[in-house]
Formats: sequence, structure tokens, C-alpha cells
Amino acid sequence: DAKTTQPTSMDCAEGRAANLPCNHSTISGNEYVYWYRQIHSQGPQYIIHGLKNNETNEMASLIITEDRKSSTLILPHATLRDTAVYYCIVSLGTNAGKSTFGDGTTLTVKP
Amino acid sequence: SAVISQKPSRDICQRGTSLTIQCQVDSQVTMMFWYRQQPGQSLTLIATANQGSEATYESGFVIDKFPISRPNLTFSTLTVSNLSPEDSSIYLCSVGLAGPYEQYFGPGTRLTVT
Repeated sequence: DAKTTQPTSMDCAEGRAANLPCNHSTISGNEYVYWYRQIHSQGPQYIIHGLKNNETNEMASLIITEDRKSSTLILPHATLRDTAVYYCIVSLGTNAGKSTFGDGTTLTVKP
Repeated sequence: SAVISQKPSRDICQRGTSLTIQCQVDSQVTMMFWYRQQPGQSLTLIATANQGSEATYESGFVIDKFPISRPNLTFSTLTVSNLSPEDSSIYLCSVGLAGPYEQYFGPGTRLTVT
């Protein structure tokens, strides 16, 4: 699996958009980008994934650059409940269960 | 999506004993996995639980210490054997769904070894 690089921590004001970056410069053509988050003392929660195109669901949007070497997870209107550790993972679609979790980004949403 | 339950949610065990953790999924899934999360750390994959065959272990994890069973497509157990304080962690079960395999996680089992 390709290695990812994320900032250690970020702050965001409640109600504003949270933009979480992820670098994955060694991603291969058939690897997907997955985002998960882990709220304190809970199991990780799947957020979104994508291959080439930008994706949006009820939780977030995923923007992948054209060269696929980086991506951004966008939480459009962050709430206090979005405070969590966010993990960006790159993996083959058929092997996503064997996810390698890095240290992630600790997002703190402040009132 | 998938709904995953784990039992127990937490336990305190004595050194030298074993703990068996159960993972139940609300639908049949091909891929099931066990992870460990040590205090303040990220998740580390222990093994892939294969239905009908032995589990596939990641580097640094061995069957004698972490025996795994997978009797059917909805259930798996992880045993942590010969417990030491270093085994104090959260143990998480996860499943991978087809096309292309996003993962869903159980709530975790918090193990404390005294």
C-alpha cells in the first residue's frame, strides 16, 4: 500500500468547513483513497472513498488532484461532534481490509 | 454498510490468563480482520480471519499468542493468550465489504491486564 502523509493536528471553527489534506505521492493507478475517522473511545468510522473523481456523500466531500498524488477531505459545516482523528488510507480496492493506519490528523472543532 | 458487535466491551484480566473476544456481524461477509490499538497509538492489523482455514497473521503476530477462529461468514473470535501488561489495548474487529471494500469496525474491546 502507498504511504500517506497527514498533518498531525488541525483546528476548525464550528460551522466552518474543515479541509483535511493528505499526500500520497506514491499511489498506484489501481489504488483507492479511503478516509476514516475515530471519535474518542469508539471504533473507526468509514467516511468516503474515491479512485480518480471527486466524491460526495452525506458526510463529506473528497477532492482528489488530477495527478492523484494528494487529496482533501472536506467537512462542509463542522460541528463539535466532528472532533476526531481522521485517517487517510491508500489501498487496493480488493485489499482494503488490510488497511495500514498511519497516525492521522487530530481535528479539533472549536465553538 | 454492516453492523458489528463485540463482546466483551471491556475486561480486566490477570497476568498469565487468556481472553477471548467475540465479533458478530449482521450479514455474511467474506473479509474479517482483527486490529490492536495500544494506548495513544494508531491501529495495527493483527490478522485476517479466513472462513474455513487458518488466519493469516501480520508480521510480529503469531498464532500461539493470538489464535483466531472463523467458523462462518458472520462470526469470529480472537483469543489473546498468556496475558501480560503489554497486551493492554483496544482490540477491534472489522469487515471489508465488496466493491471496493470499504471497512466497517466494531466498537472495540478494551483489555486491561493487571
